[in-house]
Amino acid sequence: GAGVSQSPSNKVTEKGKDVELRCDPISGHTALYWYRQSLGQGLEFLIYFQGNSAPDKSGLPSDRFSAERTGGSVSTLTIQRTQQEDSAVYLCASVGQAHPGYGYTFGSGTRLTVV
Amino acid sequence: GDSVTQMEGPVTLSEEAFLTINCTYTATGYPSLFWYVQYPGEGLQLLLKATKADDKGSNKGFEATYRKETTSFHLEKGSVQVSDSAVYFCAFYNNDMRFGAGTRLTVKP
Repeated sequence: GAGVSQSPSNKVTEKGKDVELRCDPISGHTALYWYRQSLGQGLEFLIYFQGNSAPDKSGLPSDRFSAERTGGSVSTLTIQRTQQEDSAVYLCASVGQAHPGYGYTFGSGTRLTVV
Repeated sequence: GDSVTQMEGPVTLSEEAFLTINCTYTATGYPSLFWYVQYPGEGLQLLLKATKADDKGSNKGFEATYRKETTSFHLEKGSVQVSDSAVYFCAFYNNDMRFGAGTRLTVKP
């Protein structure tokens, strides 16, 4: 597609439930990033996929968080046993081969609320 | 380690006022520098960029100049509008992308 698509745009879940957040990057972009933006905070790096290389998971806050990227395209971020502190906007960005000079293209994010 | 420091907000201005949001970075080598903007309810959008020293990025009346001697990339606009109300993020790319904490700008009519 023309841009990065994330779904759902909003998700309300009960504490303890699992959630899956989806990111459809721009076709042909080799790199994909997940960030978390908590209320009033900056962007917190979570995980980075680059082509077929092993992902950089150094930003995942706990083992309840995991992500995969199938076929080098769509990515799913899974949060197990959600906690209230997981409430945030989760942003996905994809990067084409032309970067670093061209920046990232971000999706509109998924706003997760854990009640 | 590599990092970005930007002016804390929130910043509140009247329409047509001059805007400066300071940004400095710490990085080895020659990073590419960016400003992103996040309008209410939306994701981040690239506002402008500069890829080498003394480059000036500009878009929508905003400007920022890559100052290697001061490791800065301050964002400026001569006359802000209500529609500029958003959160602005300074960022640089040097093997990976680092973002500042964001500065919330509110422009009042």
